[in-house]
Amino acid sequence: GENVEQHPSTLSVQEGDSAVIKCTYSDSASNYFPWYKQELGKGPQLIIDIRSNVGEKKDQRIAVTLNKTAKHFSLHITETQPEDSAVYFCAASIGGGFQKLVFGTGTRLLVSP
Amino acid sequence: DAGVIQSPRHEVTEMGQEVTLRCKPISGHNSLFWYRQTMMRGLELLIYFNNNVPIDDSGMPEDRFSAKMPNASFSTLKIQPSEPRDSAVYFCASSFRQGANGYTFGSGTRLTVV
Repeated sequence: GENVEQHPSTLSVQEGDSAVIKCTYSDSASNYFPWYKQELGKGPQLIIDIRSNVGEKKDQRIAVTLNKTAKHFSLHITETQPEDSAVYFCAASIGGGFQKLVFGTGTRLLVSP
Repeated sequence: DAGVIQSPRHEVTEMGQEVTLRCKPISGHNSLFWYRQTMMRGLELLIYFNNNVPIDDSGMPEDRFSAKMPNASFSTLKIQPSEPRDSAVYFCASSFRQGANGYTFGSGTRLTVV
């Protein structure tokens, strides 16, 4: 079935550094790619998303890029802060709509002061 | 808005017992999703509803699992009988415009079956 691979599984950076998380997907019909941040004891929270007709989207320190040909998309966090520490999940829609999402396995980001 | 509200936050039950998890979606959202999160399998979609109607239940693991949405403001996920391998965090999420603007997740129910 359709799947999403996410790398790395853990990422440690110093405060102020950049962090990059990469995902690949398998369903050619995927057209919606959200990213979620999950803090301990909480549900995942949507932080940014991108549609298949856009190659890049930025929101302050967070940016997402999409390469539909290669079926790759990435999350970029600049000027990391300790409060960015959390588990980040990528996801891809399957079946051509927006509703049914397949999630990556998550990246635990640790930002050290 | 209070967000997606799930209850209980924690549930410990004995194997064989019936478990009912509850969810109140955000008012005005017309889609509701049930996910299960485990270390081994990550986040798995169990079932989702549009306008209170079940659309896709292909992720429901077994007949022991059932979900209902009697109205736009309430959904339940029931496990009967429960087994230790059902132990997980169960999340409910809701969305507007059939997910076009992303999901809002609840805080989850941590289920432990002993």
